[in-house]
Amino acid sequence: GAVVSQHPSRVICKSGTSVKIECRSLDFQATTMFWYRQFPKQSLMLMATSNEGSKATYEQGVEKDKFLINHASLTLSTLTVTSAHPEDSSFYICSASELAGGTYNEQFFGPGTRLTVL
Amino acid sequence: AQRVTQPEKLLSVFKGAPVELKCNYSYSGSPELFWYVQYSRQRLQLLLRHISRESIKGFTADLNKGETSFHLKKPFAQEEDSAMYYCALSGRTGFQKLVFGTGTRLLVSP
Repeated sequence: GAVVSQHPSRVICKSGTSVKIECRSLDFQATTMFWYRQFPKQSLMLMATSNEGSKATYEQGVEKDKFLINHASLTLSTLTVTSAHPEDSSFYICSASELAGGTYNEQFFGPGTRLTVL
Repeated sequence: AQRVTQPEKLLSVFKGAPVELKCNYSYSGSPELFWYVQYSRQRLQLLLRHISRESIKGFTADLNKGETSFHLKKPFAQEEDSAMYYCALSGRTGFQKLVFGTGTRLLVSP
């Protein structure tokens, strides 16, 4: 299958700082990238859908100004957690998919980024 | 509302025993159902989708619209099947906007 990478794999930051997480599709062009959040022992919750060259679509309850998403190219999307607080500590996972023929091909998942806000 | 329920957090079986991981869903239309697997220290990956109607690594899953279920089954579990299994649904054709269940950890003992 296709490969999706995330960087960093783990980040620890102080409360009030901003953190950027990168998601890259290494061997295919990702028309769409998805950002998920996973709390311990809970399910993956979709935060937003990011289409290349357009604004991200956020799920209900997700603060757009808090979680800034940029999808400037077909291989890179970034998630910036602005003014991070301890409650933002979580596991953030991205996935990438290619839109072909009006339908989305399989979502390939990144390995995830563990964010800890002190 | 879209919802996926996996009632078992942990399923422990012996090698060679049959396995059934339960998944029930709630959706007003015609969803597409998937099973994803996450092996230890690896990323989430697709195991199978209901429209494919295929067996992957000996696993099968049948969509039962009457019972709104999509249980994952394997007749003879292997130790390498030990992993976290997530059931997911999409409200449209393809993989857009997946809604995941909370997952079931399958532990296969020798």
